[in-house]
Amino acid sequence: ILNVEQSPQSLHVQEGDSTNFTCSFPSSNFYALHWYRWETAKSPEALFVMTLNGDEKKKGRISATLNTKEGYSYLYIKGSQPEDSATYLCAFPLGPIGAGKSTFGDGTTLTVKP
Amino acid sequence: DVKVTQSSRYLVKRTGEKVFLECVQDMDHENMFWYRQDPGLGLRLIYFSYDVKMKEKGDIPEGYSVSREKKERFSLILESASTNQTSMYLCASSLVRGFSQPQHFGDGTRLSIL
Repeated sequence: ILNVEQSPQSLHVQEGDSTNFTCSFPSSNFYALHWYRWETAKSPEALFVMTLNGDEKKKGRISATLNTKEGYSYLYIKGSQPEDSATYLCAFPLGPIGAGKSTFGDGTTLTVKP
Repeated sequence: DVKVTQSSRYLVKRTGEKVFLECVQDMDHENMFWYRQDPGLGLRLIYFSYDVKMKEKGDIPEGYSVSREKKERFSLILESASTNQTSMYLCASSLVRGFSQPQHFGDGTRLSIL
């Protein structure tokens, strides 16, 4: 079983703070990395699909970077808002052998206080 | 937009009952997945299907079975429900047998076994 680790497990910040968290994954046999946001009482939704070393993706105040050689991805949130409160999951697709399966990290739960 | 629909948001059943959780997706996705999510344990894959009538065990298949008679529908079956199967169950689908397509999730079924 591949190890995908996310840190920290939880994070509490004040509105307006910028924050970041990490997803670590095996650096060998890399195909892609997916980031999801999972808000309470909703379904997880895909934020970013990252495939190339050095990739940087951005959606509004949220951005993500990728380092496939060292096996990590960072998710950044600039000027956090209460609506950013959610669990952020990263997932490591197992590639052709895995036939569409992914290994998920346990997530980072972000709480933004007004 | 992809729609993944799970038949129930909340379900209460009794120990020993046979329980069916249904999932339907409307975008002709080949891959479908069943996960359970428990506090502190992240998303754990129960079963996976990459085609009609095809299935593969995930990380925690014991006590579960699945059925995929039609491409759009993937059912999770608890053969004889037990209290340790009380959990949040999530269904997901993805487009192709590959790694660049993220998974699309349903809203989840919170199942309680009494």
